Amino acid sequence: AQSVAQPEDQVNVAEGNPLTVKCTYSVSGNPYLFWYVQYPNRGLQFLLKYITGDNLVKGSYGFEAEFNKSQTSFHLKKPSALVSDSALYFCAVRTSEDDYKLSFGAGTTVTVRA
Amino acid sequence: DARVTQTPRDKVTEMGQEVTMRCQPILGHNTVFWYRQTMMQGLELLAYFRNRAPLDDSGMPKDRFSAEMPDATLATLKIQPSEPRDSAVYFCASARQEDTEAFFGQGTRLTVV
Repeated sequence: AQSVAQPEDQVNVAEGNPLTVKCTYSVSGNPYLFWYVQYPNRGLQFLLKYITGDNLVKGSYGFEAEFNKSQTSFHLKKPSALVSDSALYFCAVRTSEDDYKLSFGAGTTVTVRA
Repeated sequence: DARVTQTPRDKVTEMGQEVTMRCQPILGHNTVFWYRQTMMQGLELLAYFRNRAPLDDSGMPKDRFSAEMPDATLATLKIQPSEPRDSAVYFCASARQEDTEAFFGQGTRLTVV
């Protein structure tokens, strides 16, 4: 069965520094990978996705992610973090092996200090 | 601006009562997901539908939870009877097709006392 792992519960960075949130996946077939962000008392907002094509994908709010098939990773990155990026981030996967259900990682809390 | 709409936003009920949560997916989306979010368990997939047909509801406690799509514009999640451990935020999401992202509603915060 497909699965997603986010190895860090929390990531703390200073404003202006690079931000990386890690995600690894385990699937049998080709993965469709997604990143979402959740602000307090809100629903999940879609940030970006990898379906096929270029391994580096760009999304909303200056975020990007790199698909690495050999390392089965899809890390989220932002070159210069803002205090407003502080939120809960989720990585997710869909594959044909699990009939395209959307499976999420446990989430990573990002705190950007001023 | 298309969005997933969930009602109610907040629900407080007494243990043993029936609770019904409703979701209006984005028009034209063929897949609907129901998730439950708690601090301890994170995001749990309860059930999902494609073209209104249930595909997987293995995440739901079968004895008390039920999920249906009476038509393409409405998905419901019912709990009967409700228990305090059901207190959580319940999210509905819809997706246009298999390889696309899902869009989430704002959630229903359920408190069972």
